[in-house]
Amino acid sequence: NAGVTQTPKFRILKIGQSMTLQCTQDMNHNYMYWYRQDPGMGLKLIYYSVGAGITDKGEVPNGYNVSRSTTEDFPLRLELAAPSQTSVYFCASSPFGGRFASRRETQYFGPGTRLLVL
Amino acid sequence: AQKITQTQPGMFVQEKEAVTLDCTYDTSDPSYGLFWYKQPSSGEMIFLIYQGSYDQQNATEGRYSLNFQKARKSANLVISASQLGDSAMYFCAMREGTNFGNEKLTFGTGTRLTIIP
Repeated sequence: NAGVTQTPKFRILKIGQSMTLQCTQDMNHNYMYWYRQDPGMGLKLIYYSVGAGITDKGEVPNGYNVSRSTTEDFPLRLELAAPSQTSVYFCASSPFGGRFASRRETQYFGPGTRLLVL
Repeated sequence: AQKITQTQPGMFVQEKEAVTLDCTYDTSDPSYGLFWYKQPSSGEMIFLIYQGSYDQQNATEGRYSLNFQKARKSANLVISASQLGDSAMYFCAMREGTNFGNEKLTFGTGTRLTIIP
């Protein structure tokens, strides 16, 4: 299994440009997440999905959109990039969530996408 | 209020010594899980250890152990016999079981651990 893969690894955008960050997992996990990590900080949840066709906002959703047409893929779309979106973006997946929160299963993280908006 | 608090922005520890990284959490949900992740300079997030709110014993994984004090809402990570490769950022995170499907990890701000030879 490749686990969680993300592309690209690094990207420079100009202000106002748009792009899609790709995330794919091959573990048949229902739950998928997008986080951003600003320099020297912890991760903050942008959007998450509990299954194909179902997405919901996290803590910092403004400026982003997501879709989940398949179990495997969970792309993150940036519209009109701004310098404040300069960050490292992590995609993660998990087989469980919600009322199963006490179970040991962790979230599996991708390697991250480093985005610089100039 | 912060749900996860890590009060040590940085720590320096001599190689082979034990180190404790502090984490306190805030939740009213009786069902939750606590995680520690390591993030080396390469950037990936590496899962270290998990503690469930209903677990009777403190979790251990090799050189990592979790000092879970439920009444004090603390979940400190203990690394025994530290090694140079332990130098990294360490994040404490919590997953709450409030609503089915409404699940996420809430992260602390991290502690940067530097092991000194």
